[in-house]
Amino acid sequence: QGQLVQSGAELRKPGASVKVSCKASGYIFTNFGICWVRQAPGQGLEWMGWISPNNGNTNYAPKLQGRVTMTTDTSTSTAYMDLRSLRSDDTAVYYCGRATRSNWCDLWGQGTLVTVSS
Amino acid sequence: EIVLTQSPATLSLSPGERATLSCRASQSVSSYLAWYQQKPGQAPRLLIYENSRRAPGIPARFSGSGSGTDFTLTISSLEPEDFAVYYCQQRRDWPLTFGGGTKVEIK
Repeated sequence: QGQLVQSGAELRKPGASVKVSCKASGYIFTNFGICWVRQAPGQGLEWMGWISPNNGNTNYAPKLQGRVTMTTDTSTSTAYMDLRSLRSDDTAVYYCGRATRSNWCDLWGQGTLVTVSS
Repeated sequence: EIVLTQSPATLSLSPGERATLSCRASQSVSSYLAWYQQKPGQAPRLLIYENSRRAPGIPARFSGSGSGTDFTLTISSLEPEDFAVYYCQQRRDWPLTFGGGTKVEIK
C-alpha cells in the first residue's frame, strides 16, 4: 500500500533555510508524483508544489516561486523540499504526499513541524 | 489562480444526521475536484476524487456531486469518527488549490 516517512521537526531563524525529507516505501517511487502541502497553525491546507520523480519536472505555487526547490533521489526513494529565506509566516506543518497520475494526493507522510523564530 | 470557497465554515450536527458541504470555484474546474478529511494532529485523507469517485476504503456514506463551479460533499448519516475538517481541492489548473475548509462539529 505504501508509506511516506518524513524527517523530524526543525527550528530555524528568519532568513535561514530548511530541507525536509520524505522517504517512500512499499510502492514504485517513480510511478507516482510527490506533492507538498503545508498548514500554518490553526489554518487550512496550502498547496506548495509537485515533482515527478520520473523526470524531475516540477510545478510550484507562485507565492513560493524562487524560494522553494523540490528534488528527488530515486536511488533512495526520497523526496526533498528546500525552502529558503524563511520568514515567521513559514511556520507550519509541512506534509509530503504521493500524487497519482491525476495529481490527487492519496498517501501522506506524518508531517514535519518547521518553526521559524528568532 | 482558481479560488475555492467552502461553506459553511462550521456545521454543527448530531450523529446520524445528514451533512451537506459546499465548495464553489471561481471558474469552471470541470469534474477535477477532490475532497479530503483531516482530523486534529493528522495528515489529510483523500475521500473523493474526480468529483464523485470514492477513494479505496472510503465508506459509501460519503458521496460527491456537482460539476463546473458548484460541488457538494454529502455524508448521508454522520458517524462519530466523521467529525473533522473537510477540504476541497481542484486540479483543473496550476497551481492546484484548496478551499478554506468546513469543520463538522458535534452539536
